[in-house]
Amino acid sequence: DAGVIQSPRHEVTEMGQEVTLRCKPISGHNSLFWYRQTMMRGLELLIYFNNNVPIDDSGMPEDRFSAKMPNASFSTLKIQPSEPRDSAVYFCASSLSGTRGETQYFGPGTRLLVL
Amino acid sequence: AQSVTQPDIHITVSEGASLELRCNYSYGATPYLFWYVQSPGQGLQLLLKYFSGDTLVQGIKGFEAEFKRSQSSFNLRKPSVHWSDAAEYFCAVGPYSGGGADGLTFGKGTHLIIQP
Repeated sequence: DAGVIQSPRHEVTEMGQEVTLRCKPISGHNSLFWYRQTMMRGLELLIYFNNNVPIDDSGMPEDRFSAKMPNASFSTLKIQPSEPRDSAVYFCASSLSGTRGETQYFGPGTRLLVL
Repeated sequence: AQSVTQPDIHITVSEGASLELRCNYSYGATPYLFWYVQSPGQGLQLLLKYFSGDTLVQGIKGFEAEFKRSQSSFNLRKPSVHWSDAAEYFCAVGPYSGGGADGLTFGKGTHLIIQP
């Protein structure tokens, strides 16, 4: 079992550039979550999908952030344009069937630094 | 809105000593409660979870947690810590809903340091 795969593991970019983070959930999992981790705010849910459909994006900080899930095995989180305050670790997680209380399996994260 | 408080930012424990990490939550219904561990540079791994039944829950790596509704707490314990337990520990609550997946609300985490 490969687990949740995220790429890239590290990203350094300059302010104003577009950043795309990628996630491959565990095969057979129907729910996918994007979280952001910062020192100040801790772990925050940004958005989650169930069966490729966005269910709740209320955690997305602003219009510069967008997320897509074109199929069951791939999701992207895009920041355009990026700003230094977007520097954080971004985690993707997946769960099996979207049942309440189900275990979420986390990827290793993408560490983003915006200069 | 739900919230999770982990009052201890850092805890230092001697190897072999017992451990208790505190977690308090605010939630309007029966919560789903989780403890995750994060090793440096790694993602989060589930230690244990509770949503019904016996209020004392056993998890992996020798950890357990007790749900106390009257105190709105879900403290994590281990009788004897090992140096490999040094990590960041997160308590989380899952929101109530009629069904479907829901994201988790996390506490700020407790950084566990193990002294030799």
